[in-house]
Amino acid sequence: DGGITQSPKYLFRKEGQNVTLSCEQNLNHDAMYWYRQDPGQGLRLIYYSQIVNDFQKGDIAEGYSVSREKKESFPLTVTSAQKNPTAFYLCASSVGLQDEQFFGPGTRLTVL
Amino acid sequence: AQSVSQHNHHVILSEAASLELGCNYSYGGTVNLFWYVQYPGQHLQLLLKYFSGDPLVKGIKGFEAEFIKSKFSFNLRKPSVQWSDTAEYFCAVKLPYSSASKIIFGSGTRLSIRP
Repeated sequence: DGGITQSPKYLFRKEGQNVTLSCEQNLNHDAMYWYRQDPGQGLRLIYYSQIVNDFQKGDIAEGYSVSREKKESFPLTVTSAQKNPTAFYLCASSVGLQDEQFFGPGTRLTVL
Repeated sequence: AQSVSQHNHHVILSEAASLELGCNYSYGGTVNLFWYVQYPGQHLQLLLKYFSGDPLVKGIKGFEAEFIKSKFSFNLRKPSVQWSDTAEYFCAVKLPYSSASKIIFGSGTRLSIRP
């Protein structure tokens, strides 16, 4: 089955710790994205990558970092610099930047 | 700055009622428009999209949306809802041939259907 997997589904971390969220796709898509979803605010773009070894900041990149070493993988690190990290994180991919995006199931991160 | 407004945060309907969810955007140029749906416990998935052509767009599961350029609107409709339509619905706007950071999502509308 082709699709996007995110792991884990739920993640708990102590304040001050960095945490990395996994996103893998086997759709052979070039573009990948990370969004943050908060109640009543919709989805906000954190980072996106058009191609391997390239990524760009989205609208709320502060306190986050990414890498794109492989086409299939686009991990997101939530650093201790992110002031309000507790949220639902969604990964998406598309053939190219102009195409519809396919979403993963999401990871709910809670920082205690 | 561009924005997308979904004025209804929570809509409650009975089965067989007609549905219209509002979506307005603030950009004067050409846009690509999307409606996504998130069923409980499932992935966000595309319902329908408009890029150009016929402004009345048919999507999956009996949904349709009409692009009215003069009103900057892209309202989602369904003539008769079912209990299984209970979900959260997101409108999204993209400026074509621009960077991905120009995809803007609305805040979402939660739809609850009474059996």
